[in-house]
Amino acid sequence: QVQLVESGGGVVQPGRSMRLSCTASGFTFRNFYMHWVRQAPGKGLEWVARVSYDGTSKNYVASVKGRFTISRDNSKNTVSLQMTSLRSEDTAVYYCACAEMTTKPFDHWGQGTLLTVSS
Amino acid sequence: QSVLTQPPSVSGAPGQSVTISCTGSSSNFGAGFPVHWYKQLPGTAPKLLIYDNFYRPSGVPDRFSGSKSGTSASLAITGLQADDEADYYCQSFDSSLDAVIFGGGTKLTVL
Repeated sequence: QVQLVESGGGVVQPGRSMRLSCTASGFTFRNFYMHWVRQAPGKGLEWVARVSYDGTSKNYVASVKGRFTISRDNSKNTVSLQMTSLRSEDTAVYYCACAEMTTKPFDHWGQGTLLTVSS
Repeated sequence: QSVLTQPPSVSGAPGQSVTISCTGSSSNFGAGFPVHWYKQLPGTAPKLLIYDNFYRPSGVPDRFSGSKSGTSASLAITGLQADDEADYYCQSFDSSLDAVIFGGGTKLTVL
């Protein structure tokens, strides 16, 4: 069955960096856009970034542009989110999710990984 | 402030029906981009409920239905059950932002 498993969360100080990873299985990874969606404690869902099938096209929400970088490795079925200059407002559960196209729904989600930015 | 606007909360008694609205604009719903709906229970990942305006994934009961017209969309739930109590989110794409967008979420309480 389809599985998305995130890793890499934890506690990090403001201004520092952190890398999240997501390993996929159970579907043809290279045929799906991969996304990161986050949810701050007690708040709603916020889309963060997406990467195209072959990794050549990447888009970000305005609040993370220039600080976060999404990438994928189709040989390893993984997608990553490199986060720099972290701020307290980046504290959230980060989910990876897959979609057939940019306008298609998120068919599957990971269980999420919590990132806490705090001194 | 979410690009898609949902009511913060709705409620209904068991067996009753509720509707959750989702209001967009000309750069998302008005541009023809579809709406998708998710249900989220506390501490768990969202689950796809309705996609492409009104289609239900396998396993979603027909008590759940979706619609979209112009710059608005809605999710209807009939025959409310206790386990329908959850947060519901609408989602689409915005061409001006070139971004996936979510509504702020609606908490459904089954009285």
